[in-house]
Amino acid sequence: DGGITQSPKYLFRKEGQNVTLSCEQNLNHDAMYWYRQDPGQGLRLIYYSQIVNDFQKGDIAEGYSVSREKKESFPLTVTSAQKNPTAFYLCASSVQGRANYGYTFGSGTRLTVV
Amino acid sequence: KQEVTQIPAALSVPEGENLVLNCSFTDSAIYNLQWFRQDPGKGLTSLLLIQSSQREQTSGRLNASLDKSSGRSTLYIAASQPGDSATYLCAVKVIDTDKLIFGTGTRLQVFP
Repeated sequence: DGGITQSPKYLFRKEGQNVTLSCEQNLNHDAMYWYRQDPGQGLRLIYYSQIVNDFQKGDIAEGYSVSREKKESFPLTVTSAQKNPTAFYLCASSVQGRANYGYTFGSGTRLTVV
Repeated sequence: KQEVTQIPAALSVPEGENLVLNCSFTDSAIYNLQWFRQDPGKGLTSLLLIQSSQREQTSGRLNASLDKSSGRSTLYIAASQPGDSATYLCAVKVIDTDKLIFGTGTRLQVFP
């Protein structure tokens, strides 16, 4: 079955450490997205990529970095510059520019600073 | 800038009631509007997608409507069940950027 796989499901980060969250899709979607979800708040866009080797900052990109070397993969690195990284991270993908295509989401990674 | 609002923020109802959840957005330049369900600690499950040219979509006990000109959508849940308890999110896909802009959700509890 096609879908989006996020790993790991739970991740613990020490102060000053960089960590990378994995997102892989086999839906042949062009566009991929990273969202952050905090309790009581909606989803906020971190980064998105509409094509391989290109990506754009979202609303809260500071302290994060991404790469898009393959169509299927869009890893997110949470750097030590991100001062409050504890949150639930969701990856999504979609077909570009098509009204009849929505977003498909992964099951999420919960990141906790210890 | 596109803004999406959901009302109410929380709702608690007895089993069997028919429910209406509301979503409003400020910019009508959208490809589509999507309703999602989120269970605690889980990812998002797509419930219904309404293209900008459509007025409504139905799936089982769920019916979603879209009035693009007034910037409103409603999700109607018929004969609610305890298993419907979850947070419901609406989101619009913005033309040109393909960004999905979310509302803050409605947390629904259906008690037996």
